[in-house]
Amino acid sequence: EAQVTQNPRYLITVTGKKLTVTCSQNMNHEYMSWYRQDPGLGLRQIYYSMNVEVTDKGDVPEGYKVSRKEKRNFPLILESPSPNQTSLYFCASSQQGSGGYTFGSGTRLTVV
Amino acid sequence: AQSVTQPDIHITVSEGASLELRCNYSYGATPYLFWYVQSPGQGLQLLLKYFSGDTLVQGIKGFEAEFKRSQSSFNLRKPSVHWSDAAEYFCAVGPSGGATNKLIFGTGTLLAVQP
Repeated sequence: EAQVTQNPRYLITVTGKKLTVTCSQNMNHEYMSWYRQDPGLGLRQIYYSMNVEVTDKGDVPEGYKVSRKEKRNFPLILESPSPNQTSLYFCASSQQGSGGYTFGSGTRLTVV
Repeated sequence: AQSVTQPDIHITVSEGASLELRCNYSYGATPYLFWYVQSPGQGLQLLLKYFSGDTLVQGIKGFEAEFKRSQSSFNLRKPSVHWSDAAEYFCAVGPSGGATNKLIFGTGTLLAVQP
């Protein structure tokens, strides 16, 4: 089944403790993105990648890192999480030129 | 500035009634336009997209949307709503040319369906 898989689905952590949210897609898509969703703000792009080793900042990149060493994986790294990063995170992938992302099921992160 | 506006935060309709969700955008060039649906606890699912051509596009689950360039709008419609349509709906805009890495989303419209 074609899908984007994120792990974990839920995560509670403490301020400053480094964490990684994994994202993997099995569709051989070139584009991958991370979004965060907050009430009243919709979805905001954190980082995106157009292919292996090609990444760029989205609208809200502060406090996040990404890497794209393999085409299928696009992990999101929070080096020192803070409470304002408490949010619902979505990974998404898209084939170049096709239009429209396929989204993962989301990761609900709480930083206390 | 590029933006997407969904003026209705929350809409309630009766089952069987028609539905129209509004979306207005501000974009420097001819954009690609999308509607996504998010059911509770789920990710976003693509309902339909407009790239070019016929301005009335059909999507999944009986939804359609009409692109009106003069009004910078891309409203979503459904002639008869089902209880399972209760969800949050997001309009999104992206650059033409297929570079979908930069989708801009609206803040969403939460749809409630009453029996």
